[in-house]
Amino acid sequence: SAVISQKPSRDICQRGTSLTIQCQVDSQVTMMFWYRQQPGQSLTLIATANQGSEATYESGFVIDKFPISRPNLTFSTLTVSNMSPEDSSIYLCSVGGQANTGELFFGEGSRLTVL
Amino acid sequence: GESVGLHLPTLSVQEGDNSIINCAYSNSASDYFIWYKQESGKGPQFIIDIRSNMDKRQGQRVTVLLNKTVKHLSLQIAATQPGDSAVYFCAENIRNFNKFYFGSGTKLNVKP
Repeated sequence: SAVISQKPSRDICQRGTSLTIQCQVDSQVTMMFWYRQQPGQSLTLIATANQGSEATYESGFVIDKFPISRPNLTFSTLTVSNMSPEDSSIYLCSVGGQANTGELFFGEGSRLTVL
Repeated sequence: GESVGLHLPTLSVQEGDNSIINCAYSNSASDYFIWYKQESGKGPQFIIDIRSNMDKRQGQRVTVLLNKTVKHLSLQIAATQPGDSAVYFCAENIRNFNKFYFGSGTKLNVKP
């Protein structure tokens, strides 16, 4: 299994500001994923963070709003730009497990509240 | 994913009873499925998985059933305990290994 650490664990942000969330994994992984979980709802995949290339975004998510970095095989960041109250969510970093299981491991998430 | 509103459907069961949580998935090309458990304030935790070449898989106290004809997945929890209280999500993998899409979720409430 992989141990995933996210920072910050929670934050309260002002409208119009941007916040960067960090995700650190205790082992090298090929693919890292960022999910959003709005209050009382399920997880929605934002993008796949690819090492050495641009992130791949899902429908409805764009790089200008959610820029992602992946400088190496153990670290990624997600920035939530120009925040509005609708961006208040839990943002979760996840990584793939062993090739033969396909299991996703998740961090504890970063809970953002935008005022 | 589409939102299903601000409140997840809730299943309330008595401690010791069996629980059945259902999930409808969206893509007939999905070939791998996982059930996750999410406790309050935590990230999702793997429970059990199943591949599309199987109809049933059993774990410790949990069984997953897959009906590809109607694109339906269920999670059965035997002898439900208070520690099973959480939100349960199914997730489907559509062709791209490790890229998962999550279902809407069900909140399980176990009454002592």
